Amino acid sequence: KQEVTQIPAALSVPEGENLVLNCSFTDSAIYNLQWFRQDPGKGLTSLLLIQSSQREQTSGRLNASLDKSSGRSTLYIAASQPGDSATYLCAVTNSGNTPLVFGKGTRLSVIA
Amino acid sequence: DAGITQSPRHKVTETGTPVTLRCHQTENHRYMYWYRQDPGHGLRLIHYSYGVKDTDKGEVSDGYSVSRSKTEDFLLTLESATSSQTSVYFCAISKSDLNSGNTIYFGEGSWLTVV
Repeated sequence: KQEVTQIPAALSVPEGENLVLNCSFTDSAIYNLQWFRQDPGKGLTSLLLIQSSQREQTSGRLNASLDKSSGRSTLYIAASQPGDSATYLCAVTNSGNTPLVFGKGTRLSVIA
Repeated sequence: DAGITQSPRHKVTETGTPVTLRCHQTENHRYMYWYRQDPGHGLRLIHYSYGVKDTDKGEVSDGYSVSRSKTEDFLLTLESATSSQTSVYFCAISKSDLNSGNTIYFGEGSWLTVV
């Protein structure tokens, strides 16, 4: 059974800092990995999707990497801003449309 | 935006009553999912659908049933609501793209309180 772990559970950083969020999964035979952002009381917003054949994806100040063999992904946020404060969730799927398995998220606070 | 609408967005109901949550999509995606989100547990799959009248159970399906009589609507029913089903319920769809693969998009959520 696929299990996804995100460390740390919570993180507080000063504005402007570069930071890394970690995600690990137990079954390396994934089809793709997706990072989401969730603001309090809101739904999930897709940030980045990395297919199993890819090593990384970038969108603006966000960069997600994938190391399938070690069962790890990182989400790098450059020059953090207070508006980045949210919960970030990692999720994997083991085949095309198989439902995503989620980690419990990292709650990020960026302090001005 | 994947054109997903959930209704109702907020509901308070009494223990033992049936409740139906609706997920509506406008883009004819084949795969739809229902998750619940609870503190300490994260997001857990309840049921999903891979086509009209084709559904399957997730890890927390007990006490829930689903129906999909047309592509655009995926209904989640709590047959006899219990306090343990107080939660936020999210609907999601899988959107396929040749370049980026299958991306999952979520609705805004339905907050259900069972008293």
